[in-house]
Amino acid sequence: DSGVTQTPKHLITATGQRVTLRCSPRSGDLSVYWYQQSLDQGLQFLIQYYNGEERAKGNILERFSAQQFPDLHSELNLSSLELGDSALYFCASSVGWAADSPLHFGNGTRLTVT
Amino acid sequence: KNEVEQSPQNLTAQEGEFITINCSYSVGISALHWLQQHPGGGIVSLFMLSSGKKKHGRLIATINIQEKHSSLHITASHPRDSAVYICAAGAQKLVFGQGTRLTINP
Repeated sequence: DSGVTQTPKHLITATGQRVTLRCSPRSGDLSVYWYQQSLDQGLQFLIQYYNGEERAKGNILERFSAQQFPDLHSELNLSSLELGDSALYFCASSVGWAADSPLHFGNGTRLTVT
Repeated sequence: KNEVEQSPQNLTAQEGEFITINCSYSVGISALHWLQQHPGGGIVSLFMLSSGKKKHGRLIATINIQEKHSSLHITASHPRDSAVYICAAGAQKLVFGQGTRLTINP
């Protein structure tokens, strides 16, 4: 058990809709990362928050947004959903903000857009 | 050319064989990570390296900073080692390799 909790496990929704994915980091970890894993793309970094502040941005679409709350949990909001947004979305946490901090992954949220 | 490249993409071996998965990177790094993703989808962090070599059970990871290359070795491989192994490297943002799908047959 990594200590990172992601909800929901599965989400099925229609095109054009909006969903919110939630992540609770491992106790003591200040960084939260969001990743997207599509069938043909491998893991893609979306965004990182560290202690409530946005720290780094990857290939995150404008339709997507995230935030980290004072209790350090994070939410990833996906809006105007398209079929191509169907993917596994992973959250990971770490103590530090740089790449030399061990990562702890949640079990992922499988999003299906129909 | 991808900034983090893994080889091979797919590897099938018999139980007991010694396995090597390679990772080459062109990004500047403060660390390189090896991850394991099982068929169910969950991702487990195996190693984080910035120099030298680390060992955990039957798994060994090495990194050569000058050559920008890392290897993951599995000794006495077992069917339960069947998974996708992912290399990720970077200084702040990690760049991920495409993964190596390993299948160990009994």
